[in-house]
Amino acid sequence: GAGVSQTPSNKVTEKGKYVELRCDPISGHTALYWYRQSLGQGPEFLIYFQGTGAADDSGLPNDRFFAVRPEGSVSTLKIQRTERGDSAVYLCASSLSRGRGNTIYFGEGSWLTVV
Amino acid sequence: GENVEQHPSTLSVQEGDSAVIKCTYSDSASNYFPWYKQELGKGPQLIIDIRSNVGEKKDQRIAVTLNKTAKHFSLHITETQPEDSAVYFCAASNQAGTALIFGKGTTLSVSS
Repeated sequence: GAGVSQTPSNKVTEKGKYVELRCDPISGHTALYWYRQSLGQGPEFLIYFQGTGAADDSGLPNDRFFAVRPEGSVSTLKIQRTERGDSAVYLCASSLSRGRGNTIYFGEGSWLTVV
Repeated sequence: GENVEQHPSTLSVQEGDSAVIKCTYSDSASNYFPWYKQELGKGPQLIIDIRSNVGEKKDQRIAVTLNKTAKHFSLHITETQPEDSAVYFCAASNQAGTALIFGKGTTLSVSS
């Protein structure tokens, strides 16, 4: 596809459950990012991948959050033991490569609701 | 780390008027400043960006100015139209270039 694709678009889960969110970046983009956006706020950085490796995971809030990108393309954000405070829109983005000035394109997001 | 402040949080204008949104940043090492437009239920969409070696950039009705000395940058929309109504976010790159730090957003309403 032409843009960043995220699935599912909406997910409702019970507190304590495990959740996986998938991101398919723009073809040829080596840099991939995950952000989280709470209602009324700007996106907050979670993690950045360059190729297969997590080059910067300083934004992950705690060890319940984990992300992988095993083949350098599709990425999965994994949340264990979900809490109600995890409810947010999880945005994936990609760019041609790392570096200031490379345009970052966002997907439509996965809306997670923890009940 | 980088901190980005954005104001105003809400802005209402009449169709045809200009709109200005201002942002300040804290990290003097930042050198990339994009602006995103986000409509309800959608992801952020890049509308314009500026790099630190340029003071101003224009694209049709949209312009961005950057003052590196004062560490602030602004978005200017001229001849506003109802379809410009959305939430606008400014952002600045972190020092490593691995992330964008976003402002809290400005909700722009253009009434006809």
